[in-house]
Amino acid sequence: ETGVTQSPTHLIKTRGQQVTLRCSSQSGHNTVSWYQQALGQGPQFIFQYYREEENGRGNFPPRFSGLQFPNYSSELNVNALELDDSALYLCASSLTGTGYGYTFGSGTRLTVV
Amino acid sequence: AQKVTQAQTEISVVEKEDVTLDCVYETRDTTYYLFWYKQPPSGELVFLIRRNSFDEQNEISGRYSWNFQKSTSSFNFTITASQVVDSAVYFCALSELPDSGGSNYKLTFGKGTLLTVNP
Repeated sequence: ETGVTQSPTHLIKTRGQQVTLRCSSQSGHNTVSWYQQALGQGPQFIFQYYREEENGRGNFPPRFSGLQFPNYSSELNVNALELDDSALYLCASSLTGTGYGYTFGSGTRLTVV
Repeated sequence: AQKVTQAQTEISVVEKEDVTLDCVYETRDTTYYLFWYKQPPSGELVFLIRRNSFDEQNEISGRYSWNFQKSTSSFNFTITASQVVDSAVYFCALSELPDSGGSNYKLTFGKGTLLTVNP
């Protein structure tokens, strides 16, 4: 049973640029959620994908968008990067409708300069 | 709206001391799940325990124990005989259906408690 893999591990971008983060879900899981964790804070829910569609969204602007692919892997895209977007981005896979059984990846640390 | 409060920002103890991390939650749902995660400096979230809202039985796993009380909306975590390897940030989290709709649950985290165990 493979776990959740995120890439890249670290990334440095310039304000105004765009970034794509990737996540492969755990075998048997069909739902992927993305979380943003600013320094010293708890993770904040960005959105969730199921059946290749967004299925629940937190309080994040539209420049945060995502995709889910037929193999359940997912991408998080952030446009027009701002300094406050600097954070650890965590991906979690789960089985839809269960409310538990989340498996988290190790995260991508994004720094916007 | 759902909310998780971890009032203790930082705790420092000496090895072998017992330590309790507090967690208070707010939810309008009757069905929900509560979690504790450990986050070492490397960043990954390590799952420790999950409880559902219908099971108030306390649980012990080795040096770890959890006290779930619905009457006070609390889910506290105790480490007995702490060790240096327990040093990490600990998060309490609540799983509920999203406010924006959809059929899938989301996790709401507290701000975390930084536990430092000194030798």
